[in-house]
Amino acid sequence: QVQVVESGGGVVQPGRSLRLSCAGSGFNFGSYAMHWVRQAPGKGLDWVAMIYYDGSNKYYGDSVKGRFTISRDNSKNTVYLQMSSLRPEDTAVYYCARGINGGGNCLDPWGQGTLVTVSS
Amino acid sequence: EIVLTQSPATLSVSPGERATLSCRASQSVSSYLAWYQQKPGQAPRLLIYDASNRATGIPVRFSGSGSGTDFTLTITSLEPEDFAVYYCQHRSNWPITFGQGTRLDIK
Repeated sequence: QVQVVESGGGVVQPGRSLRLSCAGSGFNFGSYAMHWVRQAPGKGLDWVAMIYYDGSNKYYGDSVKGRFTISRDNSKNTVYLQMSSLRPEDTAVYYCARGINGGGNCLDPWGQGTLVTVSS
Repeated sequence: EIVLTQSPATLSVSPGERATLSCRASQSVSSYLAWYQQKPGQAPRLLIYDASNRATGIPVRFSGSGSGTDFTLTITSLEPEDFAVYYCQHRSNWPITFGQGTRLDIK
């Protein structure tokens, strides 16, 4: 079945870096845009980043622009989120999602998420 | 950035009744609006895309309508599994944004 699975979360100190991974399976990964969305504890959804199917274009939310970088390796069916200069307010569950329909900007399915905690 | 405002914040409805959720955009998003459902401890699930199209496997009791700045998600004859948080999301321009969510509670 179509699924995406995130990994790489954990506890990290403010100012440090962390890389998340998301592996896709059950679909032609190299034909789809991919997104990252985060959710702080008890809060709503915050869109983070999107990468085109071929990596040619990338877009970021205002709160992470300049600090986070999205990339992909289609040979490994994997999308990455490199997070730098982490802040306590980046603490959240980070979801990966496939982009479908409308230019690849409807999100389905979503992974189960990986928790990132930024704390000293 | 387009701001999506959902109302009400919490809606209490009895099983078997109809629920109507609203999403208003700060500027026109044409029909580029989606709805997601999130249950406690789970990832969100796509329900509706492009304002009125049901995603694969979504029951017919879920329907979406609207265009421009005003959108509605209607759930007819609520089932116990429908009580969750619902988010709208636009894809009209960058950045993509989500509404703050409406919690649908059992009355």
